[in-house]
Amino acid sequence: DGGITQSPKYLFRKEGQNVTLSCEQNLNHDAMYWYRQDPGQGLRLIYYSQIVNDFQKGDIAEGYSVSREKKESFPLTVTSAQKNPTAFYLCASSVTRASAETQYFGPGTRLLVL
Amino acid sequence: EDKVVQSPLSLVVHEGDTVTLNCSYEVTNFRSLLWYKQEKKAPTFLFMLTSSGIEKKSGRLSSILDKKELFSILNITATQTGDSAIYLCAVENSGYALNFGKGTSLLVTP
Repeated sequence: DGGITQSPKYLFRKEGQNVTLSCEQNLNHDAMYWYRQDPGQGLRLIYYSQIVNDFQKGDIAEGYSVSREKKESFPLTVTSAQKNPTAFYLCASSVTRASAETQYFGPGTRLLVL
Repeated sequence: EDKVVQSPLSLVVHEGDTVTLNCSYEVTNFRSLLWYKQEKKAPTFLFMLTSSGIEKKSGRLSSILDKKELFSILNITATQTGDSAIYLCAVENSGYALNFGKGTSLLVTP
């Protein structure tokens, strides 16, 4: 089955700790995205990648880092510099950056700070 | 700065009612407007609108775009409890990733 997966489903972070959220897709999509969703808020773009070894900052990139070493994978690291990391994180992918209507979302990871 | 505003933010209706959700936007280089339904987790795609005045329809859901007045509406007729969800509006700008509104939280009671 083709799809996009995220892990873990829930993640707990201690103060000062870096944590990495996984996102994998087997849809052969070039573009991948990370969004953050807070209660009562829409999705806000953190980072996006159009192609392997290339990625761009979105609207709220501070305190986050990404890598795109493989087409299938786009992990997001929440660093200790992100002072308010508690949120629901959604990964998405699309055939290309221009094909927004076919942007598929993963099931999300909920990050909580201890 | 691009802006997408949805209203109302939340809505409670009885089963069988018809609801209209609103989305207004200010975007440079508009490409398309999209509606998503989000239940517990991942948003699922409903409609993409690019042209004014052309209604998109899927079952009890329909949507239309007005590019002159810069808004879109999403209509749901004969609502069911399974329609309870957050409905997200997003606008695409020059092929960039989507700019989302805050969403409308719809609760349909039996």
